[in-house]
Amino acid sequence: NAGVTQTPKFRVLKTGQSMTLLCAQDMNHEYMYWYRQDPGMGLRLIHYSVGEGTTAKGEVPDGYNVSRLKKQNFLLGLESAAPSQTSVYFCASTNPGQDYEQYFGPGTRLTVT
Amino acid sequence: GIQVEQSPPDLILQEGANSTLRCNFSDSVNNLQWFHQNPWGQLINLFYIPSGTKQNGRLSATTVATERYSLLYISSSQTTDSGVYFCAVGLPGTYKYIFGTGTRLKVLA
Repeated sequence: NAGVTQTPKFRVLKTGQSMTLLCAQDMNHEYMYWYRQDPGMGLRLIHYSVGEGTTAKGEVPDGYNVSRLKKQNFLLGLESAAPSQTSVYFCASTNPGQDYEQYFGPGTRLTVT
Repeated sequence: GIQVEQSPPDLILQEGANSTLRCNFSDSVNNLQWFHQNPWGQLINLFYIPSGTKQNGRLSATTVATERYSLLYISSSQTTDSGVYFCAVGLPGTYKYIFGTGTRLKVLA
């Protein structure tokens, strides 16, 4: 049981390049989330999904797109990276029902030069 | 929107000391979690505690939802407790969590 995994762990992009971050969970969770964490700050929600085929915007969605084609995977895309998107990206998953305890992946450190 | 504030922002303790971290939120919430982010950046679940009190070893937490705050108690602190502690609150009627500003803890040997 790997929990929540993220690929890649590190990445350096040039301004204007694109990339996709992959989040995978093996806990059969319905809900999945993408957050970003900037230095010295808390986590801010980018996008989230409440089920396969659904996505919704969080607090800071601009410049990002997401897809949830399979229940276990949640992809975060940057179409044209900007230096302001330099951050650590965390994925989380949870299940509705009795509680909404979130489980986090290890993070992806992205630098845009 | 809801504001989630944590205090103190920074805390330095000698090993063995006790501490209380506070999380205040400005509106009603339907759940609350405490996390520890270790020096390597990993987020570790401590408590899921929308109300009441829970204990896990040297750590315990209390949430008083009607008064819009939660407390995290760390007793007999150890150097491995160092890192940043976050609370995150769930917004009623949504599936979103909002994170607090964090408390950065350093425990000295």
